[in-house]
Amino acid sequence: QSVLAQPPSTSGTPGQRVTISCSGSGSNIAEWPVHWYQQLPGTAPKLLIYTNNQRPSGVPDRFSGSKSGTSASLAISGLQSEDEADYYCAAWDDSLNGLVFGGGTRLTVL
Amino acid sequence: QVQLMQSGPEVRKPGASMKVSCRTSGYAFTDYAIAWVRQAPGQGLEWMGWISAYNGNTDYGQNFRGRVTMTTDTSTSTGYMELRSLRSDDTAMYYCARVPRNGNWFDPWGQGTLVTVSS
Repeated sequence: QSVLAQPPSTSGTPGQRVTISCSGSGSNIAEWPVHWYQQLPGTAPKLLIYTNNQRPSGVPDRFSGSKSGTSASLAISGLQSEDEADYYCAAWDDSLNGLVFGGGTRLTVL
Repeated sequence: QVQLMQSGPEVRKPGASMKVSCRTSGYAFTDYAIAWVRQAPGQGLEWMGWISAYNGNTDYGQNFRGRVTMTTDTSTSTGYMELRSLRSDDTAMYYCARVPRNGNWFDPWGQGTLVTVSS
């Protein structure tokens, strides 16, 4: 059971907007920035969003991040088939004195 | 461009040690840290720790303290991760990643090194 809770799976159709939640606590998300990673099948993870809502160069603006209190969200608009992947949130945790990942959410594009 | 190239797959017996390398290029090595993250088959990501390439300071995840050692070689811009007393549940893909001085996000990542622990 991960300290950061994500839904195990979600799905959407092409063109749709989907959101993935990441629920934490006062020792992690409430105090520290959240980052998001995309892992396409059989590949290494890739940074998607850093510091809550910043997009690295090259990441389409269809991807956006937000944070409020002890929760964060990743939104993907204009869903495309190539977005089918696992998505992970991450943040520092003061109680564990370490960086923690969410359990991951598998996005299926129907 | 920034690249992190990891060493090849390894097979180890329980109780043995493993050492994975992460050769970097395309940036000033000592301006960043190197993190290590592992992923067991079919499972999620687990942070193992990181090492500053600037001063060698390390921070290890609690699950690995006492069993892991991270080092860097600034002459070759390479990071290393050694894990000892291997168990079958250490079978995983091990990734290195670059970490900025002013944050704790990982970008980019190495291609991964598969380590299998089996008798």
